Amino acid sequence: EPEVTQTPSHQVTQMGQEVILRCVPISNHLYFYWYRQILGQKVEFLVSFYNNEISEKSEIFDDQFSVERPDGSNFTLKIRSTKLEDSAMYFCASREGSGSAQVLAEAFFGQGTRLTVV
Amino acid sequence: QKEVEQNSGPLSVPEGAIASLNCTYSDRGSQSFFWYRQYSGKSPELIMSIYSNGDKEDGRFTAQLNKASQYVSLLIRDSQPSDSATYLCAVNRRRALTFGSGTRLQVQP
Repeated sequence: EPEVTQTPSHQVTQMGQEVILRCVPISNHLYFYWYRQILGQKVEFLVSFYNNEISEKSEIFDDQFSVERPDGSNFTLKIRSTKLEDSAMYFCASREGSGSAQVLAEAFFGQGTRLTVV
Repeated sequence: QKEVEQNSGPLSVPEGAIASLNCTYSDRGSQSFFWYRQYSGKSPELIMSIYSNGDKEDGRFTAQLNKASQYVSLLIRDSQPSDSATYLCAVNRRRALTFGSGTRLQVQP
């Protein structure tokens, strides 16, 4: 069964360092997302990506964050200068559908990357 | 007012009983509604989607939607200890899902 895969599963980084989290969405999906979940808190939307550009972002997704689809399969989240409060589980998700159909499509999540900033 | 509200629980039910999980949402323009299950330290796993008022059944799970009351629920019949997890309600109006904080379900053997 197709699945969203994320690497690495766990990343430890020093405050101020750059990290890149990687995701391979399901192959026929068109919409890609990053969410994060701070320990004990709810899943929060960061950014959505469609047709090689950001389609929506939350207030959390500030200038230190960027996303990219460098090739036909990978989807990455870069955090330029990590802070202690960036420590969280980061989930990538993907959905089928285009245009208005996207809102009805089911989103499937990867297993997550646990980011620890020390 | 929170966009998606769920009782945090824990909701404790005996094995074999029906577990009833509830969710309310604030945005009347929401178009699609999802239930996810999340085990501790794991990612959300899709259980059900529902788009129209009424009930939708899939195996032991039944999702119910009432758009007039802005209410979504999930019933789990014949609850098993393996159903013990946090259940996340997610609502979609624009491009992304908005999640509730989840209800922790404990099924007692």
